[in-house]
Order: sequence, then C-alpha cells, then structure tokens
Amino acid sequence: RKEVEQDPGPFNVPEGATVAFNCTYSNSASQSFFWYRQDCRKEPKLLMSVYSSGNEDGRFTAQLNRASQYISLLIRDSKLSDSATYLCVVIRGAGGTSYGKLTFGQGTILTVHP
Amino acid sequence: NAGVMQNPRHLVRRRGQEARLRCSPMKGHSHVYWYRQLPEEGLKFMVYLQKENIIDESGMPKERFSAEFPKEGPSILRIQQVVRGDSAAYFCASSPRDTYGYTFGSGTRLTVV
Repeated sequence: RKEVEQDPGPFNVPEGATVAFNCTYSNSASQSFFWYRQDCRKEPKLLMSVYSSGNEDGRFTAQLNRASQYISLLIRDSKLSDSATYLCVVIRGAGGTSYGKLTFGQGTILTVHP
Repeated sequence: NAGVMQNPRHLVRRRGQEARLRCSPMKGHSHVYWYRQLPEEGLKFMVYLQKENIIDESGMPKERFSAEFPKEGPSILRIQQVVRGDSAAYFCASSPRDTYGYTFGSGTRLTVV
C-alpha cells in the first residue's frame, strides 16, 4: 500500500465549479500535511498547509482528519488558472525527530474548461 | 535573493555515460533534498544532505547513484553509467535549519538515449 494515496483523476470541470480532492495516508506517525500544486513540467509549489482545525485561503479549503488519516482540498469557483496537478504531501517524523522529508501522493490532475 | 538554482535544466546522456546534476540552495539554507519524478509518477524522496553530511539516503538506488553537499559549492547528484530508466525530472529543494520552509528548484530533466 502506498504511503500517500490520491485519486489520480483526471477531474474535468467547468469554470465556476466546486471540486474536491481526497487523500489518505497510511502512517499514523505522520506529523505535517500540505497540498502542493504542480504545473506541467514545473516544480511543485506549496499551495497550503493543512491543520486539524481546517483552514481556508480564499477559494481553497483544506481539512485534516487524523482519526481517519484523511486529507481533503476543496476549490470553490474554479478558474482556468487552477488547472494543474494537486499533490497531497505528508511529513513523517523519524525516530523522535522530524525534518522536511516530504512524501508525495501521485497527484490529482485538474482541468478547468471555459 | 535568488531561489534554488539547478543546472542544467535539460541534460541528454547516452547509455553508460555519467550525469552530474547541480543544485545551489537559497542563501541561508543549509538543508538540501533531492527528489526524482519518473514519467507519469509522483515525486519520490532520494536523499537529504546538510553541509558535508548525508543525513538520509534511504531513497537512493543502491548502485550508480551518489550525492554530496561540500563545504563550498553546490550539491551534486551523480548518476554513473546511466540507463534509460534513469530518465526523469530531478528536483532539488532547500530549507533553512530546523524548519519546513521548503523551496524547490526548477528541476533538471534527464533524458537517456
């Protein structure tokens, strides 16, 4: 089983739609959670961190459920510029210490069309 | 303040040659990470380095791959005797000490012909 699993999609939605991405992680020792965005053939860029209390950044809302080991990202009012691959990312602490070793999901492809 | 600089952006090597990928971290960043993205796959951790030390190389293939981050100069990911399966995008990231303030470089796309 992969440590971080995402529905690869692709998701094909019209402008203005609301779209939700899901992600599960297998290691209960995971400590930090993020959504990254990767445009075609470019480097991944941090979209937002994910907190247990849930957090929102404009049209983007992220949720974390530690009991279910489940992370979600909701995009409201989709724009053409939201078209990208969305990567669920987890940091797992190692041996009582932690550092920035990221474990990536395979990514979910989103295409927003006019 | 320049970001993480990787070079070359594109690298073509014939099977059996060596590939050297360079990464200069952001100013003030002392931690460097290398990731590999195979075609149609997610990014996979390869190695974590601090100056003159390899901290975690659990993601490195056992043979042909090595990495270093010398006291002076960029971090180098070296692939000896490349094979077609090494064709991928290799991304470097850096972070300041003890934080997760990651910044990725633009990557090096290696093509083995």
